[in-house]
Amino acid sequence: GAGVSQTPSNKVTEKGKYVELRCDPISGHTALYWYRQSLGQGPEFLIYFQGTGAADDSGLPNDRFFAVRPEGSVSTLKIQRTERGDSAVYLCASSLSRGENNEQFFGPGTRLTVL
Amino acid sequence: GEDVEQSLFLSVREGDSSVINCTYTDSSSTYLYWYKQEPGAGLQLLTYIFSNMDMKQDQRLTVLLNKKDKHLSLRIADTQTGDSAIYFCAERTRAGTALIFGKGTTLSVSS
Repeated sequence: GAGVSQTPSNKVTEKGKYVELRCDPISGHTALYWYRQSLGQGPEFLIYFQGTGAADDSGLPNDRFFAVRPEGSVSTLKIQRTERGDSAVYLCASSLSRGENNEQFFGPGTRLTVL
Repeated sequence: GEDVEQSLFLSVREGDSSVINCTYTDSSSTYLYWYKQEPGAGLQLLTYIFSNMDMKQDQRLTVLLNKKDKHLSLRIADTQTGDSAIYFCAERTRAGTALIFGKGTTLSVSS
């Protein structure tokens, strides 16, 4: 595809439910990042993949959050036992490699609302 | 710790210049970025500057970096209504893989 795509664009769920958010990076991009953007804030880093492995997951807020990238392309962010505070826009970005100035291309995001 | 600060709002008239300011705390920052976010759209990289540079110009955009004061600015010349958006300053540190973003400056351009 031409850019990073994310599905769904909107997700409404109830407190305590499990959700999965999907990211399709730009073809050939080995690095993939997840960020979370709360209302009125800038994006905050969650996790970074280089290929299939999570190279840096220091931004995950707690063990309810988990992400995978089994084939080094599509990634899924999984949130267990959702809480109202998890409501935010979840952004995915990809880049060619980890290199210093490899531009991160962002997807449009998934807006998660936890009722 | 790492922190990026920006003023929250800026209002200008069409045709004027806009200057958006940003301060950061991590002296090991290697690259500093300006992103633009329009409603319903993803973040778009506008420009970036390497930490050993003082200035970078790209068409209507001028980035100034004062490394001593850890101050970054983005100047948009001849601001247009289409420039109305939220502008984020971001840094990438020597140790980090992720970008550290400010809270964003909402630029409003009136005709």
